[in-house]
Amino acid sequence: AQTVTQSQPEMSVQEAETVTLSCTYDTSESDYYLFWYKQPPSRQMILVIRQEAYKQQNATENRFSVNFQKAAKSFSLKISDSQLGDAAMYFCAYIGGTGGGNKLTFGTGTQLKVEL
Amino acid sequence: DSGVTQTPKHLITATGQRVTLRCSPRSGDLSVYWYQQSLDQGLQFLIQYYNGEERAKGNILERFSAQQFPDLHSELNLSSLELGDSALYFCASSVRDPWAGGGNTIYFGEGSWLTVV
Repeated sequence: AQTVTQSQPEMSVQEAETVTLSCTYDTSESDYYLFWYKQPPSRQMILVIRQEAYKQQNATENRFSVNFQKAAKSFSLKISDSQLGDAAMYFCAYIGGTGGGNKLTFGTGTQLKVEL
Repeated sequence: DSGVTQTPKHLITATGQRVTLRCSPRSGDLSVYWYQQSLDQGLQFLIQYYNGEERAKGNILERFSAQQFPDLHSELNLSSLELGDSALYFCASSVRDPWAGGGNTIYFGEGSWLTVV
């Protein structure tokens, strides 16, 4: 079974600084997709970024980028120029790409605090 | 705005009662998923439908049931409610059937807060 591990329960960053959230996963599949979701205090789940395992290029969405290391099964999220609105719980998630039904597996989350 | 609509946003009900949560997926999405998030808990997958057909079941209690209608909206029915059922219930949708492979991006609604007193 696939597992997703987020080893940092909490992280802090100063406004305008850069922070990296870690995520590792375990899978025997070769085709899969990885996501970062953001859950602000409103508890809404917001898709931040998506990475296809077959792509070598790291995904980027404005101030958010990932460092995808397939061999190491690592998928970290870098937030540049941190803003107060980035404060949220961040979940790393995995879904298999070879079919077999829903396998969207979430990590336990990292609570990000942004300080002035 | 993800395009997934859930109603009601908040609901307070008594133990033993039954409630129905409603979800409209994003336009064009055929798959609907239900997740439960209890306080300080991660997201637990409950059930998934594709084009009206149940496709996968997760940790869904027998007291809970769901269906997806021909217009693709879905309802999650929770009965004989207990205090422990208090949680945030998310509906999510995606274009493809996850059983078909090829990957899927799943978009979440804002959730329905259920409080059982």
